[in-house]
Amino acid sequence: DIQMTQSPSTLSASVGDRVTITCRASQSISSWLAWYQQKPGKAPNLLIYKASSLESGVPSRLSGSGSGTEFTLTISSLQPDDSATYYCQQYNSYWTFGQGTKVEIK
Amino acid sequence: EVQLLESGGGLVQPGGSLRLSCAASGFTFSSYAMTWVRQAPGKGLEWVSGISNSGGNTYYSDSVEGRFTISRDNSKNTLKLQMNSLRAEDTAVYYCAKSWKGIHQLDYWGQGTLVTVSS
Repeated sequence: DIQMTQSPSTLSASVGDRVTITCRASQSISSWLAWYQQKPGKAPNLLIYKASSLESGVPSRLSGSGSGTEFTLTISSLQPDDSATYYCQQYNSYWTFGQGTKVEIK
Repeated sequence: EVQLLESGGGLVQPGGSLRLSCAASGFTFSSYAMTWVRQAPGKGLEWVSGISNSGGNTYYSDSVEGRFTISRDNSKNTLKLQMNSLRAEDTAVYYCAKSWKGIHQLDYWGQGTLVTVSS
């Protein structure tokens, strides 16, 4: 089974900051990686697929990069609406989620 | 507009059974793989099970293999999850989610249904 590890588990940053979340796969998954945002009490929302493709309607301040086993989600200028938990997910072999990264606004 | 509406959650005793349903609309249901993803209270997302567009291929996580059965009825645009031998650790909100094509990103999600396993 492919394991996904995210870091950090929690981060606190100010509005306007550049924020980066890292996701590592236990084996190569090519670019078969997605990122989701989840707010409390809500279903997850797809942000990025195939490692770097932005889902329709997602703000351009979010971006994804990486391939193989190392991936990043970057928010170029953190906004109050970005306060949420973010999950990476591989779909190279079935589906596996990372444990999540909670982003807080200072 | 794509809509996924889960139902069937509730309180069940350990060892019991429950059947979840997901009613799909707004897209050609028979063309897409579907999945179930769960989230225990205060915890992260866990993929549970998936099924191909035709229903001919099914997939399960190790934690539910042999206890849960996924199925679909393409004539009724409905996805189901039969859960047997339920354990306290199966307590979670269960989401159904549409896969973009086969095993791909999950582009639409329902709002979830809560399953509580407790005596």
